[in-house]
Amino acid sequence: GAVVSQHPSRVICKSGTSVKIECRSLDFQATTMFWYRQFPKQSLMLMATSNEGSKATYEQGVEKDKFLINHASLTLSTLTVTSAHPEDSSFYICSGIAAAYNEQFFGPGTRLTVL
Amino acid sequence: AQSVTQLDSQVPVFEEAPVELRCNYSSSVSVYLFWYVQYPNQGLQLLLKYLSGSTLVESINGFEAEFNKSQTSFHLRKPSVHISDTAEYFCAVSPALGYSTLTFGKGTMLLVSP
Repeated sequence: GAVVSQHPSRVICKSGTSVKIECRSLDFQATTMFWYRQFPKQSLMLMATSNEGSKATYEQGVEKDKFLINHASLTLSTLTVTSAHPEDSSFYICSGIAAAYNEQFFGPGTRLTVL
Repeated sequence: AQSVTQLDSQVPVFEEAPVELRCNYSSSVSVYLFWYVQYPNQGLQLLLKYLSGSTLVESINGFEAEFNKSQTSFHLRKPSVHISDTAEYFCAVSPALGYSTLTFGKGTMLLVSP
């Protein structure tokens, strides 16, 4: 199957700082990538859909100015959590669609802890 | 819109026992159905999927799921579980319109003990 990586795997930051998370498709081109967040013992909630070269589409209730998504190439999408607060602490997971497999492949996730 | 219900938040079983993880969905359109497995602090891995054709689908590690349209269910089963099957299992659905976003259930934690 196709491989998606995320960097960093975990990050701890102070409240008020910004954090960037990278999502890369290593062996396929992903015209569409998705960003999810997962709170402890809960399901994945879709935050936004990212299409290469265009603005991301955010789900209802997700602040686009707080969660900045950039999908500048077919293999890289970034999520920047701006002015992070403790309530933003969560597990963030990205995924990309591999057209050859007609399937969504998930990254290993990034654990964000805001102090 | 679609929704997914996983009735059991946690299922404890003994090793080598059979297990069934339940999943029901609702949708106004035809759907694709998926089961994903998540090990601690890891992302999701696709276990199996139903897109079309045979309603019984199998994974390489012994799991199977059957799509039941009349009961709107896609229960996951394994006849004999291993300790290594301990993980969180998510059922998901997407509209059968090419490719679209996934809606996940809340997950079922499968706990296999010796």
